[in-house]
Amino acid sequence: EAGVTQFPSHSVIEKGQTVTLRCDPISGHDNLYWYRRVMGKEIKFLLHFVKESKQDESGMPNNRFLAERTGGTYSTLKVQPAELEDSGVYFCASSQGLRPEAFFGQGTRLTVV
Amino acid sequence: DAKTTQPNSMESNEEEPVHLPCNHSTISGTDYIHWYRQLPSQGPEYVIHGLTSNVNNRMASLAIAEDRKSSTLILHRATLRDAAVYYCILSMPASKLTFGTGTRLQVTL
Repeated sequence: EAGVTQFPSHSVIEKGQTVTLRCDPISGHDNLYWYRRVMGKEIKFLLHFVKESKQDESGMPNNRFLAERTGGTYSTLKVQPAELEDSGVYFCASSQGLRPEAFFGQGTRLTVV
Repeated sequence: DAKTTQPNSMESNEEEPVHLPCNHSTISGTDYIHWYRQLPSQGPEYVIHGLTSNVNNRMASLAIAEDRKSSTLILHRATLRDAAVYYCILSMPASKLTFGTGTRLQVTL
């Protein structure tokens, strides 16, 4: 069974540009989460989808971040326009129903220069 | 979110057991105790979880205090591949995980 996959693994963009990160959860998992780790800080929650609906977006830092999960399958996280402080590693995780185990992807390392 | 307290770092010799402690004195009755670990350059990996009773799986054991205010992750025989940051997290099922700084485990030959 394929795990959670994230694309791209690395992205380097200039300040002011747009970047879209993609996450493919494990098939059948209705919960999808986005997290990020900014350099030197702890991993922070961004938002939680249940199928295609946003269950909790309390961790989204500002309106430059837009997450979507059309059809309840893969999800995208768009940053527009990117700022220097958006640099970090963005992780996606998925889980099934009320099962406690969440499975994480390898992350996307975003560098804004 | 209820907070957990873990030592910043621990060391172990290979092939020896490791006991990673976690304090969570403000745990609520519905909080599960989760452990995740993060190996270098990888995403967090689920290790084990429990509610009240001790739990065992192929990776580790989780010992939960009777009052649930603390727990211990037990790696029965540490290997070099177990070197990672271990996170103790309180959460309800299908809810966000709040990561702290975790315990960095070093395993030496």
